[in-house]
Amino acid sequence: EVQLVQSGAEVRKPGESLRISCEASGYNFSNYWIGWVRQMPGKGLEWMGIVYPGDSETRYSPSFEGQVIISADKSITTAYLQWNSLKASDTAMYFCARYGYTYAYAYWGQGTLVTVSS
Amino acid sequence: SFDLTQPPSVSVSPGQTAMITCSGDALPMQFSYWYQQKPGQAPLLVIYKDHERPSGIPERFSGSSSGTTVTLTISGVQAEDEADYYCLSTDSAGTSVFGGGTKLTVL
Repeated sequence: EVQLVQSGAEVRKPGESLRISCEASGYNFSNYWIGWVRQMPGKGLEWMGIVYPGDSETRYSPSFEGQVIISADKSITTAYLQWNSLKASDTAMYFCARYGYTYAYAYWGQGTLVTVSS
Repeated sequence: SFDLTQPPSVSVSPGQTAMITCSGDALPMQFSYWYQQKPGQAPLLVIYKDHERPSGIPERFSGSSSGTTVTLTISGVQAEDEADYYCLSTDSAGTSVFGGGTKLTVL
């Protein structure tokens, strides 16, 4: 059974760094892209970017390029979303999801709530 | 990059048919996907590759495509179908975009 389990909720101050995780199981982690999706409070889904764990290739939405870092460690089947300097506007729920060429994003993590407040 | 446009809201009475559209110039060249999201939950895939239905999704959900517009149709809407619905498309470079989302209200 494919499962994506995300790390727990985080509260940080503006300017701080953060890395959240998405641990995958039930399939060959190296062979499927993992994407990250932002959902700000009361707003829609926004595609942020994607990583291929097999070779760590990444693609970013123009809106998020340079704002976050997406990575993966295939040795522990975990993908990451990282900020070096958080802003209040980064407050949102973040989802990871597995990308497949047939079903696109069929498998999702449960979401990680990130709150950035002074 | 490309854009996908959805109506903000659609309202129907139980038993009627709901149609949610998604428009974008890239859609004739790329597959579309539809997701249902209920409050506090992760999105759920309800249609893939324009009109295919994943196993476990009720037959009342269907998808179609015509030119630059794709449509999610829910026939015989039930109260449990009330949710936000998002279209998604991915280009050949692997970049994806979501539509802005449509809130389906069952009156």
